[in-house]
Amino acid sequence: NAGVTQTPKFRVLKTGQSMTLLCAQDMNHEYMYWYRQDPGMGLRLIHYSVGEGTTAKGEVPDGYNVSRLKKQNFLLGLESAAPSQTSVYFCASSSERVSGNQPQHFGDGTRLSIL
Amino acid sequence: SQQGEEDPQALSIQEGENATMNCSYKTSINNLQWYRQNSGRGLVHLILIRSNEREKHSGRLRVTLDTSKKSSSLLITASRAADTASYFCATDHAAGNKLTFGGGTRVLVKP
Repeated sequence: NAGVTQTPKFRVLKTGQSMTLLCAQDMNHEYMYWYRQDPGMGLRLIHYSVGEGTTAKGEVPDGYNVSRLKKQNFLLGLESAAPSQTSVYFCASSSERVSGNQPQHFGDGTRLSIL
Repeated sequence: SQQGEEDPQALSIQEGENATMNCSYKTSINNLQWYRQNSGRGLVHLILIRSNEREKHSGRLRVTLDTSKKSSSLLITASRAADTASYFCATDHAAGNKLTFGGGTRVLVKP
């Protein structure tokens, strides 16, 4: 009963390093999302995907890239990490568009610190 | 800018009391959702209410929606220590497949 799994759970990077966050879902959902959550704030959408092979920009896409090569996986990349990208990153998936009747299912997050 | 804004930002109550939090939004929506987040965990969906609905119940949760005032409320009745969490409202946009979250209400239920 895994749902949405994010790896890694924690990571510390130095400024300028790159890394990839992995999100995997086992619910056969079409829609997948990457959010970031900063202290005292709600979630902000970085990028999303409406199906395998598709990606689209969200509210705060700068400095991030994504790929959805397989339906069950959604990868978030940081090419050159900056301290402003220190945050908690959440992945979510859903079987319908946000205007539908189905909710989003979230992973437990990746806590990323950029020094 | 955020579509949804919760009020109050923080709430402290005794076990057994009711907790009420409000959410206001700016533009037309198809639905409004409430989520709970326990410390260090991801968000968990509580209730989805559509724009043509006025009230919805799920166990000890009651959600109302007033589209004329662009506001919603979440009531937790007979609160328990396990209800201690942050609660977020989220709204969809008329254009685009995006869910926008408010800043959340932190609820502390004291035993």
